Amino acid sequence: GQSLEQPSEVTAVEGAIVQINCTYQTSGFYGLSWYQQHDGGAPTFLSYNALDGLEETGRFSSFLSRSDSYGYLLLQELQMKDSASYFCAVRDQGGKLIFGQGTELSVKP
Amino acid sequence: DGGITQSPKYLFRKEGQNVTLSCEQNLNHDAMYWYRQDPGQGLRLIYYSQIVNDFQKGDIAEGYSVSREKKESFPLTVTSAQKNPTAFYLCASRASGNTIYFGEGSWLTVV
Repeated sequence: GQSLEQPSEVTAVEGAIVQINCTYQTSGFYGLSWYQQHDGGAPTFLSYNALDGLEETGRFSSFLSRSDSYGYLLLQELQMKDSASYFCAVRDQGGKLIFGQGTELSVKP
Repeated sequence: DGGITQSPKYLFRKEGQNVTLSCEQNLNHDAMYWYRQDPGQGLRLIYYSQIVNDFQKGDIAEGYSVSREKKESFPLTVTSAQKNPTAFYLCASRASGNTIYFGEGSWLTVV
């Protein structure tokens, strides 16, 4: 089966850097992706890693280590609007796409 | 504009009723998904479809049914067998890799 583990909540201050970790178990790994969800809204895509290493998109970066079944999302220069829930997700060889339980990020002034 | 359209946004169901949530996409994506989200929780997979006329159960399929007769459409029926259907329902479609696009969601409440 598939499972993902991520911290339930993280708190940081404006301007800081925060890292949200994700460990996973899946059969036939087809990539790790990250999504942001604000209260009451739909998730939006942030980043995707199919291969090991770091992917950078503006203030957001995502890292993957397939040998460790581990990835993280790095948010730099935190802003108040970054307060949201962040989900990691993995897809298996059959196309099944499973999400973690989400990490609630609170950005304080 | 391309995207995913879910309707209705808010729906109320009486005990014993079946209700159908609509999901339409014009992104030409083959794969489509239905998720359920309870307050403060993650997304749980109900059903998914990789191609027209084919779909698979997710982790919480009991009490739900789907069809995939057209590439653009993937409706979800919440049957009376689903005893606790009050939740936020999200439809999504997948491009290459893991990039998926979500609709705005549908809030279902049992009255």
